[in-house]
Amino acid sequence: AQKVTQAQTEISVVEKEDVTLDCVYETRDTTYYLFWYKQPPSGELVFLIRRNSFDEQNEISGRYSWNFQKSTSSFNFTITASQVVDSAVYFCALSEATKTSGSRLTFGEGTQLTVNP
Amino acid sequence: ETGVTQTPRHLVMGMTNKKSLKCEQHLGHNAMYWYKQSAKKPLELMFVYNFKEQTENNSVPSRFSPECPNSSHLFLHLHTLQPEDSALYLCASSQHEAGSSYEQYFGPGTRLTVT
Repeated sequence: AQKVTQAQTEISVVEKEDVTLDCVYETRDTTYYLFWYKQPPSGELVFLIRRNSFDEQNEISGRYSWNFQKSTSSFNFTITASQVVDSAVYFCALSEATKTSGSRLTFGEGTQLTVNP
Repeated sequence: ETGVTQTPRHLVMGMTNKKSLKCEQHLGHNAMYWYKQSAKKPLELMFVYNFKEQTENNSVPSRFSPECPNSSHLFLHLHTLQPEDSALYLCASSQHEAGSSYEQYFGPGTRLTVT
């Protein structure tokens, strides 16, 4: 069975601080995919990144960066110089490479990030 | 319209009512999904459709009945719901190829309250 754990339920930082959101996953599959989503107060989940299990290169996109480490089954997300607009719930998700059905995402419970001015 | 749209955005219904949620995707995807998001719970996958065929029903009670007439439209028909069914219902779509897993794009959700 697949499982995603986001141990940090809530994080509160002051604007311009760097913040890292942790994600640990469990799977028996050798081929799998990891995702991060952002859910602002409006409710719509916004896709941020997709990673497959064979690509361990870290990725940077503007103020966002992701650190994928298979050895520790972690896929952590760092926001540099946080801004108030980054306040949202962030979800980490895991999916296997399916044969027949669409992508079956297993979500973590989410981390509520609050960035204070 | 772009992306994934959902209507209505808010719905209040009694336990004896029948209503339907609608989802439409304008992304050319071939898979569509219904999720339920309750307070303080992870997102729960309810149904998966791939090329209009239901490929997954995640042990959802029969008072929720999905319908997928084509790859762009997805409905969730609701009848005799319970107060614990109050939640945010999210629709999503994605590309699908066997042997891979693509990101899903979500609609804004329908906030459902059952009284």
